Amino acid sequence: QVQLQESGPGLVKPSQTLSLTCTVSGGSISSGSYYWTWIRQPAGKGLEWIGRIYTSGSSNYNPSLKSRVTISVDTSKNQFSLTLTSVTAADTAVYYCARVVPGLLDYWGQGTLVTVSS
Amino acid sequence: DIQMTQSPSSLSASVGDRVTITCRASQSISSYLNWYQQKPGKAPKGLIYAASSLQSGVPSRFSGSGSGTDFTLTINSLQPEDFATYYCQQSYSTPWTFGQGTKVEIK
Repeated sequence: QVQLQESGPGLVKPSQTLSLTCTVSGGSISSGSYYWTWIRQPAGKGLEWIGRIYTSGSSNYNPSLKSRVTISVDTSKNQFSLTLTSVTAADTAVYYCARVVPGLLDYWGQGTLVTVSS
Repeated sequence: DIQMTQSPSSLSASVGDRVTITCRASQSISSYLNWYQQKPGKAPKGLIYAASSLQSGVPSRFSGSGSGTDFTLTINSLQPEDFATYYCQQSYSTPWTFGQGTKVEIK
């Protein structure tokens, strides 16, 4: 059974960089033809796709965030990561990592709340 | 970006009811449409992929239909554990986009 777990700071100051890691267990991140993705959800609102990465390292990002976001993968640690620069209060949300096969997000992490505040 | 519009935004139903939620895409997305269920404080759970295929482990009372721009999620004989918010999502092209959600509440 594949499991995903997000980790990282729960509080980030405005203008700083948000960094989260998703650790995959129960299977190798590099086995199979999967994308790995990040989604976020502000409190009481809907879901926003942030971006995705293939195990080869190729990635795609939401144009609304493209200039600020980077997703990377570390197959040796079975992890993939999200970096979001120059954060503002609008980036406050629950951040989820998930596996994609091939368009459906079939396994999700439990989510981690990131608050942007001074 | 492809806009996904769900209707209704919320509905009240009773246990045993049949519930239908619709999702409309701003352009044709073929059958690249997925449905999710989300309960408060939990991550979404995949229900339906490719418009009409049931994800493994999902009860057969859930079904999906449609292609092109118009899609439907149907829940036959609503159960207490089905009260939740449902989202559609297109995987036709990036950026992947979600509908705004439909909250199914107890009548």
